[in-house]
Amino acid sequence: GENVEQHPSTLSVQEGDSAVIKCTYSDSASNYFPWYKQELGKRPQLIIDIRSNVGEKKDQRIAVTLNKTAKHFSLHITETQPEDSAVYFCAANTGGFKTIFGAGTRLFVKA
Amino acid sequence: DSGVTQTPKHLITATGQRVTLRCSPRSGDLSVYWYQQSLDQGLQFLIQYYNGEERAKGNILERFSAQQFPDLHSELNLSSLELGDSALYFCASSGPGQRGYTFGSGTRLTVV
Repeated sequence: GENVEQHPSTLSVQEGDSAVIKCTYSDSASNYFPWYKQELGKRPQLIIDIRSNVGEKKDQRIAVTLNKTAKHFSLHITETQPEDSAVYFCAANTGGFKTIFGAGTRLFVKA
Repeated sequence: DSGVTQTPKHLITATGQRVTLRCSPRSGDLSVYWYQQSLDQGLQFLIQYYNGEERAKGNILERFSAQQFPDLHSELNLSSLELGDSALYFCASSGPGQRGYTFGSGTRLTVV
């Protein structure tokens, strides 16, 4: 069945450093890849997304890259700040139906 | 406020009982999704409804069922509850042209 693998499960960086989270998906029909941020005790919120016809997308300090051939996509956060500390989920969606989420990466940004 | 309303926010019940979780999607959204998040775990897809009809099913137990009503609100019914059903249950909705899902604040279910 469909599967999304996410690594690492935990990531600790120093404030100002970059953080990279990587995901791999199994369903080649997936064409939409959102990323969600979930702060402690709160709901997941969409932070950035990318469609399969685009290789890279950037929004201020965050960027996503997609390699359709390898079925890999990544989230890059530059100049990390303490408020970036949260759990980040990657996800893959096939044509508007169910979205399959990765297991999540807990990011700690040390001040 | 995301526009997706879930009630109740907290629920404590005993093993063997049955509960109903309710979700009202954002105005205009026809799709409703239910996810289960256990402690320190990811988001497990349970079920999706679109305009009243079941569209996709995930790893939803037979003890669990859901429906979406004509006014588009949805209910998730959990029966014969076990300790392991304790989790945060999220509802999300999406609509035409929308990027991603909008999640509600979740219902935290504790089975004792």
